[in-house]
Amino acid sequence: NAGVTQTPKFQVLKTGQSMTLQCAQDMNHEYMSWYRQDPGMGLRLIHYSVGAGITDQGEVPNGYNVSRSTTEDFPLRLLSAAPSQTSVYFCASKDREGTEAFFGQGTRLTVV
Amino acid sequence: GESVGLHLPTLSVQEGDNSIINCAYSNSASDYFIWYKQESGKGPQFIIDIRSNMDKRQGQRVTVLLNKTVKHLSLQIAATQPGDSAVYFCAETELGGSNYKLTFGKGTLLTVNP
Repeated sequence: NAGVTQTPKFQVLKTGQSMTLQCAQDMNHEYMSWYRQDPGMGLRLIHYSVGAGITDQGEVPNGYNVSRSTTEDFPLRLLSAAPSQTSVYFCASKDREGTEAFFGQGTRLTVV
Repeated sequence: GESVGLHLPTLSVQEGDNSIINCAYSNSASDYFIWYKQESGKGPQFIIDIRSNMDKRQGQRVTVLLNKTVKHLSLQIAATQPGDSAVYFCAETELGGSNYKLTFGKGTLLTVNP
């Protein structure tokens, strides 16, 4: 059982480039979310999804897009990377009723 | 606005001692409070949760205490081990429609000295 898998683990982008961070879970969880983690800021919610075809914005959504075409996958897109998006990104999933969220290993993104 | 914060950003203890990590919260509507552990280079991992109608819950070597009067949450780790060294986050969530959302505090770094 792989849990939550994120790819890539590390990425360096130039300002203005676009890319997609991949997230997949094999636990049939309805809820999936993306967080970014910056020093001294804890984890902040970017976007979330409560099921296939349903997404919504979190606390810091600007500069990011998401889609949820299947239960398993929840990619995060950066359309035009900016240095302010340098961060560690975590994807998480949980079932509808529980409190335990399962996190991926993270993607460390640097925008130069 | 809503916030979940910590009193101590760092905590250093000796192996075998008990550790206490504190957290203050401000959202009275939260239904659950959760502690996560994050080891270096890894994602956060669930430790224990407590429902808002409880004041104490025990797990394996961990105890969470909730004081709703002063909006304070703590995590007690008994007989702290080197493997407990990590950043600990408190988080809160509401049931129902907002159950997807976890609001995290800023974290406390726990260092266990052998």
